[in-house]
Amino acid sequence: NAGVMQNPRHLVRRRGQEARLRCSPMKGHSHVYWYRQLPEEGLKFMVYLQKENIIDESGMPKERFSAEFPKEGPSILRIQQVVRGDSAAYFCASSPGQVGTDTQYFGPGTRLTVL
Amino acid sequence: GENVEQHPSTLSVQEGDSAVIKCTYSDSASNYFPWYKQELGKRPQLIIDIRSNVGEKKDQRIAVTLNKTAKHFSLHITETQPEDSAVYFCAAMYSSASKIIFGSGTRLSIRP
Repeated sequence: NAGVMQNPRHLVRRRGQEARLRCSPMKGHSHVYWYRQLPEEGLKFMVYLQKENIIDESGMPKERFSAEFPKEGPSILRIQQVVRGDSAAYFCASSPGQVGTDTQYFGPGTRLTVL
Repeated sequence: GENVEQHPSTLSVQEGDSAVIKCTYSDSASNYFPWYKQELGKRPQLIIDIRSNVGEKKDQRIAVTLNKTAKHFSLHITETQPEDSAVYFCAAMYSSASKIIFGSGTRLSIRP
């Protein structure tokens, strides 16, 4: 049973470009979460999605950031017009989404560097 | 607002000694408290978790305690080994949403 997959593992973008980060949850998991980790800091919640629905986006900046989890395919975190402050590790986590199964399992992360 | 405080930020212990990391949370409705270990450049990995209906849980050298009244929870690592060196994050899940709120992390170093 493969774990949470993320790609790319490393992404370099110049200021003003777009970044697309992909996350495939564990098999059987229907809930996906995105977290951002700045260097030497903790993880900050960004957005929580179920298939075709955004459940909680309270941690996501209102501008330039968007997320989706389509019926088919991976979840996508999209950052438009990237700025240097967007440089961070972006982790995706998934959970089964059933009552009593709150555990979130993390992917390896995508390390975004904005030049 | 939702907040998890974690102390200390750095901790150095002699190999074989015990390490204790403490956290407090703000929302009394929190009902799930996982602990994650993160090695340099790696993903956070769940090492133990506890739910609000339990006061203590143990898994080999790792134990977690929860005091709901005081809104405190702690991680205890006994007989520390070099491979325990990492950053440890406490976290709380709030009943109103499924997001996890993380503490700021504790960098644990084990001295040989």
